[in-house]
Amino acid sequence: QKEVEQDPGPLSVPEGAIVSLNCTYSNSAFQYFMWYRQYSRKGPELLMYTYSSGNKEDGRFTAQVDKSSKYISLFIRDSQPSDSATYLCAMKPLSGTYKYIFGTGTRLKVLA
Amino acid sequence: DVKVTQSSRYLVKRTGEKVFLECVQDMDHENMFWYRQDPGLGLRLIYFSYDVKMKEKGDIPEGYSVSREKKERFSLILESASTNQTSMYLCASNSPGLISYEQYFGPGTRLTVT
Repeated sequence: QKEVEQDPGPLSVPEGAIVSLNCTYSNSAFQYFMWYRQYSRKGPELLMYTYSSGNKEDGRFTAQVDKSSKYISLFIRDSQPSDSATYLCAMKPLSGTYKYIFGTGTRLKVLA
Repeated sequence: DVKVTQSSRYLVKRTGEKVFLECVQDMDHENMFWYRQDPGLGLRLIYFSYDVKMKEKGDIPEGYSVSREKKERFSLILESASTNQTSMYLCASNSPGLISYEQYFGPGTRLTVT
């Protein structure tokens, strides 16, 4: 079993839809949770990060962490064609390792 | 604007060749990473360096070596390229003091070994 599971998609939605992207994980030591966005033929860039449980909002994006269920989500409101990209979740324990564990990525396509 | 640059965007090499992938960051970051990204497998860590001349093996170091002679530069070396090393290679850097633990990625090098 992988430490982090992420549905690869592709996920196609109409413009303006609410998008929900999710990852599940098995390691209860993970404390930092990140979402990266990767456009085609580019490197990933950090979209949002959260520490431990709870929600974090930034414009149209909301990140949620449910540590009891070992489940994290990224919500995109009012999705735009420019949101079309691959979204990668990443996780890391608080200390003791430099390793980040990445999900395989979900490919999202927002149709105009 | 922070920047991680990689020497080539696309590279085609023959089996058995020695291949050098270069990565440079301008953020004075202590940590640098080399990953490969394959469909269905995500990002897998090849090597990590936390200081000049210091390195740690990642999850898939076999067939690779690294060099970090200067803080800003981290090189990945394929000693004898093989077809199963055809992949997208991503370099990243960060600083242990960053609250966000953000890694800054380069644009990637798509390597094809024929």
